[in-house]
Amino acid sequence: NAGVTQTPKFQVLKTGQSMTLQCAQDMNHNSMYWYRQDPGMGLRLIYYSASEGTTDKGEVPNGYNVSRLNKREFSLRLESAAPSQTSVYFCASSPSSFNEQFFGPGTRLTVL
Amino acid sequence: GENVEQHPSTLSVQEGDSAVIKCTYSDSASNYFPWYKQELGKGPQLIIDIRSNVGEKKDQRIAVTLNKTAKHFSLHITETQPEDSAVYFCAASGKGGSEKLVFGKGTKLTVNP
Repeated sequence: NAGVTQTPKFQVLKTGQSMTLQCAQDMNHNSMYWYRQDPGMGLRLIYYSASEGTTDKGEVPNGYNVSRLNKREFSLRLESAAPSQTSVYFCASSPSSFNEQFFGPGTRLTVL
Repeated sequence: GENVEQHPSTLSVQEGDSAVIKCTYSDSASNYFPWYKQELGKGPQLIIDIRSNVGEKKDQRIAVTLNKTAKHFSLHITETQPEDSAVYFCAASGKGGSEKLVFGKGTKLTVNP
């Protein structure tokens, strides 16, 4: 079991560029989440998907889009990257709501 | 929406001492309160959680207490060890008890040998 995997591990973008962060889980979990972590700010929810085919906004969704491609995969897209999106991004999954969330290793993104 | 405050932001203890981290939340409908440990360069990992129908839960050296009336919950680590050094985050289920977790800003715990 690989658990939750994220690609890439590191990425540097220029302002205005676009990119997609990939996330996959092999635990047959229904719910998946995207968070960003900034120094001194804790973890903030960007988007989540309670089940395949559904997505919902979290606390900080502006500038991001998501796709729940299937039960395993949940991607996060930055259409036009901004320096304010420099952060560490974590994907997580859980069997269902109100259960343990399992986190991936993170993607460190820098936008110049 | 839900707001979670966590204190202290840093905590330094001697090996073998106890450590206590406290969190308060604003939404009385919140009903799920997990605690996560994050080691350097890794994703957070659940260490213990508590639901609103219980007041205390223990797992070996770790315990969590919940006071729903006062809207606060605490993490207690006894007999601390150097490997307990990490950043700890509390969280609460979001507005109206939703499944969207709201995290505190974290506590950096250092256990000195």
